[in-house]
Amino acid sequence: DAGVTQSPTHLIKTRGQHVTLRCSPISGHKSVSWYQQVLGQGPQFIFQYYEKEERGRGNFPDRFSARQFPNYSSELNVNALLLGDSALYLCASSDLGDTAFFGQGTRLTVV
Amino acid sequence: QKEVEQDPGPLSVPEGAIVSLNCTYSNSAFQYFMWYRQYSRKGPELLMYTYSSGNKEDGRFTAQVDKSSKYISLFIRDSQPSDSATYLCAMSAPGGYQKVTFGTGTKLQVIP
Repeated sequence: DAGVTQSPTHLIKTRGQHVTLRCSPISGHKSVSWYQQVLGQGPQFIFQYYEKEERGRGNFPDRFSARQFPNYSSELNVNALLLGDSALYLCASSDLGDTAFFGQGTRLTVV
Repeated sequence: QKEVEQDPGPLSVPEGAIVSLNCTYSNSAFQYFMWYRQYSRKGPELLMYTYSSGNKEDGRFTAQVDKSSKYISLFIRDSQPSDSATYLCAMSAPGGYQKVTFGTGTKLQVIP
């Protein structure tokens, strides 16, 4: 089985632009979560979606939004990018348990 | 105060040494405890998963949870250069709201 897949792997954006990151969970997993990992820190929780509904939100501004599709894939959108949004964005999927399996991440650089 | 505290290291050990990695936490609701390994510029890889208190062993890795002290540990026996990575402790509370709270990670280097 394929693991969690994320796209793109890297991208560079300019301040003020918008970005969309994509995630496909492990087959059979209905929960997708998004995390932001700044260099030298542990991942920080952004969102959790389960069965296409938002089930949790971390302490991030409204510029961050997400959605989950009927096939359980997910998108993370960030508007009005700031330099401080430069980070590794991680997607994690899980089944009914509480173990999260992570993708390889999307490295976003804002210049 | 952070919910999860972890010494960032770096920690350097000779090959074959026993490595001890530790985290403390403050949230009594945490019931699930995980250790992830993260190589540079890669996503975290789940190593160990423990529910509530106790020990769990998997090959060279042993995870311990002491909920009374709010303290978790990961031991690596016969450490190898390929174990060089950042080790993240992580924990979550039960329920459908699956927020995992991570430590900052400890960078480990195993020297041949």
